[in-house]
Amino acid sequence: EAGVVQSPRYKIIEKKQPVAFWCNPISGHNTLYWYLQNLGQGPELLIRYENEEAVDDSQLPKDRFSAERLKGVDSTLKIQPAELGDSAVYLCASSLGGDSPLHFGNGTRLTVT
Amino acid sequence: QKEVEQNSGPLSVPEGAIASLNCTYSDRGSQSFFWYRQYSGKSPELIMSIYSNGDKEDGRFTAQLNKASQYVSLLIRDSQPSDSATYLCAVNAGNNRKLIWGLGTSLAVNP
Repeated sequence: EAGVVQSPRYKIIEKKQPVAFWCNPISGHNTLYWYLQNLGQGPELLIRYENEEAVDDSQLPKDRFSAERLKGVDSTLKIQPAELGDSAVYLCASSLGGDSPLHFGNGTRLTVT
Repeated sequence: QKEVEQNSGPLSVPEGAIASLNCTYSDRGSQSFFWYRQYSGKSPELIMSIYSNGDKEDGRFTAQLNKASQYVSLLIRDSQPSDSATYLCAVNAGNNRKLIWGLGTSLAVNP
């Protein structure tokens, strides 16, 4: 079974530039998550999708962050414009939903200079 | 405020010993509990999931859940240097299925 696929693995951009991350979940996983993780911290939820519906985006900074999950499969997370404080690892995860465990992709390490 | 607490460590154990990692949570309605291992620079990897009181064993790993005392622990038997990582506890807190994460415990297994 293929795992969660994320791209790119690394991204370096200047502040005020836009950036986008892509995620392909495990086949059949209808729940998709975007997390942010800073060094020494646990993952922080940005948004959770059930199929194509965003069911929890309360922690997503909507002034600069946006996400979409067209057709309920792949998802894209965008930041525009990026700020220095956005430097972190962005993790995508998927699950079968309910009490099922999450499975993470390799993450995208974003550096904003 | 729903919380999950872990000792940040570092927890240092000699090779071959038992490593014991603990996690407490505040929401009595929590139903599912997970342990993830995270190597430096890598993403979290699922080690164990547990849903009922008692012990659940998988190879060298045993998860222990005590809902009355609101703690879940992870025991690693015959610890190996390759077990050196940060271990994250995650708890599904409530009907909205929101997963609450601890900050992780750093484990170092010394040869």
